Amino acid sequence: SQTIHQWPATLVQPVGSPLSLECTVEGTSNPNLYWYRQAAGRGLQLLFYSVGIGQISSEVPQNLSASRPQDRQFILSSKKLLLSDSGFYLCAWSRTYTQYFGPGTRLTVL
Amino acid sequence: KQEVTQIPAALSVPEGENLVLNCSFTDSAIYNLQWFRQDPGKGLTSLLLIQSSQREQTSGRLNASLDKSSGRSTLYIAASQPGDSATYLCAAGVDSGAGSYQLTFGKGTKLSVIP
Repeated sequence: SQTIHQWPATLVQPVGSPLSLECTVEGTSNPNLYWYRQAAGRGLQLLFYSVGIGQISSEVPQNLSASRPQDRQFILSSKKLLLSDSGFYLCAWSRTYTQYFGPGTRLTVL
Repeated sequence: KQEVTQIPAALSVPEGENLVLNCSFTDSAIYNLQWFRQDPGKGLTSLLLIQSSQREQTSGRLNASLDKSSGRSTLYIAASQPGDSATYLCAAGVDSGAGSYQLTFGKGTKLSVIP
């Protein structure tokens, strides 16, 4: 069966510090991968998606970036965090027309 | 651009009551419609997926319907239980044509079932 992992589970970072969130998928190959952000009072916002290694599409321009160094690994990064980057970050994968979500990372920027 | 709206934003019902959650979407050119459950501080759990060619799907006490022409979907929960308390999210799925399947989410309905 397939499993999706995210870490860390929670993170508190000062403004201006760098960020690296990791997502890995087990039990499948060549999945489509997605990063979403869920901010307080707002719906889930698609940030990035990837259909293969090194292929990243950005949905929302911002100070975040994503990379896919391996088939089942997806990384969300920032060089300098903003207060507005606080939120709940969710990774998801799909092979066909269903998405499966990870447990999420709660990021608080102070 | 697809927009998904969920009404009501919050709902409180006594245990045992049947209830309906509503979802509307602006672009009927969807591939499918998914309903998810989210517990506080947790990820999303898929409940039901309705293909665009289908009218409804059932799983246990849950029944989801889809009317593409009117841009609406409903999630019916029968005989509600306190364990059903969670936020329910509706998402419209589209084939982006770039080899990727994308979801547009509503803001969710927060359900509280009172014992």
